[in-house]
Amino acid sequence: AAGVIQSPRHLIKEKRETATLKCYPIPRHDTVYWYQQGPGQDPQFLISFYEKMQSDKGSIPDRFSAQQFSDYHSELNMSSLELGDSALYFCASRTIRNTEAFFGQGTRLTVV
Amino acid sequence: AQKVTQAQTEISVVEKEDVTLDCVYETRDTTYYLFWYKQPPSGELVFLIRRNSFDEQNEISGRYSWNFQKSTSSFNFTITASQVVDSAVYFCALSGDSGGSNYKLTFGKGTLLTVNP
Repeated sequence: AAGVIQSPRHLIKEKRETATLKCYPIPRHDTVYWYQQGPGQDPQFLISFYEKMQSDKGSIPDRFSAQQFSDYHSELNMSSLELGDSALYFCASRTIRNTEAFFGQGTRLTVV
Repeated sequence: AQKVTQAQTEISVVEKEDVTLDCVYETRDTTYYLFWYKQPPSGELVFLIRRNSFDEQNEISGRYSWNFQKSTSSFNFTITASQVVDSAVYFCALSGDSGGSNYKLTFGKGTLLTVNP
């Protein structure tokens, strides 16, 4: 069965650079979530989309933006990267009729 | 606001011992869902179980079992006859739909389980 695909799996950026993380949800899933997990921390909710509209927002820095496209894939754009942005970024998707979300394998971002 | 507390930061056991991971939650939702995830050193989040607030029936799946008690707001997880491959961080999580939270997950801080040979 198809799973949630995240790309890239690993990313190394320098401070003040920009990064774009991509998430391809399971086919026919209309809701996407982004989570950030810092080293030794629990995953923290950043933002979610339903039918290409932002549905909820968590502790997402102003330097970050995200959107969901017409094919339901989502991108998380991160600008002016800081060392503290180094983390695992997870995407999860679900269909509105099912409360369970499925996680991708994550993107490990390292800011140096 | 929702909150998940995993009081055990780290647990270390010897292989074949049974181990229970504790999880206590807070929510004002009448309908909510509880989850356990396993995160091995490779980093992916592995789904283990989901329970909804209407179903307090405990469950056993192989060496895993779960004890959901609404009266004490607890959702504990037991591994029987632990194995080295069980070594991982285990997260308890909660989701609901109050205030448009859209079933996003609130995680506990995680419990690092180390199973020694």
